Amino acid sequence: GESVGLHLPTLSVQEGDNSIINCAYSNSASDYFIWYKQESGKGPQFIIDIRSNMDKRQGQRVTVLLNKTVKHLSLQIAATQPGDSAVYFCAENHEGAQKLVFGQGTRLTINP
Amino acid sequence: NAGVMQNPRHLVRRRGQEARLRCSPMKGHSHVYWYRQLPEEGLKFMVYLQKENIIDESGMPKERFSAEFPKEGPSILRIQQVVRGDSAAYFCASSLLTSGPTTGELFFGEGSRLTVL
Repeated sequence: GESVGLHLPTLSVQEGDNSIINCAYSNSASDYFIWYKQESGKGPQFIIDIRSNMDKRQGQRVTVLLNKTVKHLSLQIAATQPGDSAVYFCAENHEGAQKLVFGQGTRLTINP
Repeated sequence: NAGVMQNPRHLVRRRGQEARLRCSPMKGHSHVYWYRQLPEEGLKFMVYLQKENIIDESGMPKERFSAEFPKEGPSILRIQQVVRGDSAAYFCASSLLTSGPTTGELFFGEGSRLTVL
């Protein structure tokens, strides 16, 4: 069945360093991917998305990379700040589907 | 601009009782989605509704769970005869009429955390 998973459940980085969060997906029909940030006790917050016709998209301090050959997605956060500490989820969707499939999540901790 | 509003934020029920979770979508949004999140896990799709219609309930347990989105008022997720395994955070999300997950315009509420004793 379709699934979206993550390589690492936890990641600790020093404040100011860059962080990379990875995600693997198995549904080759997936054509739209989203990264969400979830802070403790809150709902998921949209960070950035990418469609399958792209391999890279940049936002403010964040970059998403998509490798369709190996079904891999990553989120890069530049110059991490304490406020970046959260759980990050990747989610995927395919055309016509009205539901997102979420990965398990990676907990990012920023050390001072 | 109020976001997606969910209440109650926290709900405690004893086994066998009923739980009702409410969700008011963002203004102008007519599509509502419910997701469940177990501790330390990702969100799992439950149901997708439009006004007065259930569009996709493929993620809903076959028994005890029901959802509605009436013409007037909030969307309701109802869990009858709750069991301990129902303890989770339940998130509601909404989107505009012509958009949805494929555009990124899916806005989540803060969730309702159900604890079953």
